[in-house]
Amino acid sequence: EAGVAQSPRYKIIEKRQSVAFWCNPISGHATLYWYQQILGQGPKLLIQFQNNGVVDDSQLPKDRFSAERLKGVDSTLKIQPAKLEDSAVYLCASCLQPGTGELFFGEGSRLTVL
Amino acid sequence: DQQVKQNSPSLSVQEGRISILNCDYTNSMFDYFLWYKKYPAEGPTFLISISSIKDKNEDGRFTVFLNKSAKHLSLHIVPSQPGDSAVYFCAASATGNQFYFGTGTSLTVIP
Repeated sequence: EAGVAQSPRYKIIEKRQSVAFWCNPISGHATLYWYQQILGQGPKLLIQFQNNGVVDDSQLPKDRFSAERLKGVDSTLKIQPAKLEDSAVYLCASCLQPGTGELFFGEGSRLTVL
Repeated sequence: DQQVKQNSPSLSVQEGRISILNCDYTNSMFDYFLWYKKYPAEGPTFLISISSIKDKNEDGRFTVFLNKSAKHLSLHIVPSQPGDSAVYFCAASATGNQFYFGTGTSLTVIP
């Protein structure tokens, strides 16, 4: 079974530039999450999708972050414009059944904002 | 506001001995708890979970203990193996949807 795929693995940009991350969840997993993990901290939920609908985006900084999952499969997370404090690993995760907590994570996309 | 806390950033244990990783939480509404393991340059992988209706769950070498009155859970690994060296995150949820993660404990098992 293929795991959660994310790209790019690494991205370096200057502040005020934009960046997009892509995630393809495990086939059949209706629930998809984007987490932000800043160095030395635990993952923090940015947004949760159930199929192509948003379940929770309360911690997404909507002035600069956006995410979509148009066809209920893969998803894109965009940051525009980026700030220095956005430097982090962006983790995508999916699960078959929300509530079990068994999330399957991708390898993450490491963003460095200079 | 950190609702899930792992106060030990790192832990070193000799191979074959017991590793005990601790986690504290503040939200009394949390009813489901998990541990994840993370190797460098990889995403976290699920290790073990426990519901608030239990106080212990065991899976092979891994056992999670939950003390609801103290709002504390711990992960025991016995015997510890070098391959267990990783960062361990605990996570908690009140709804089963949004999970709050701790800051992680880096475990080193010394051969």
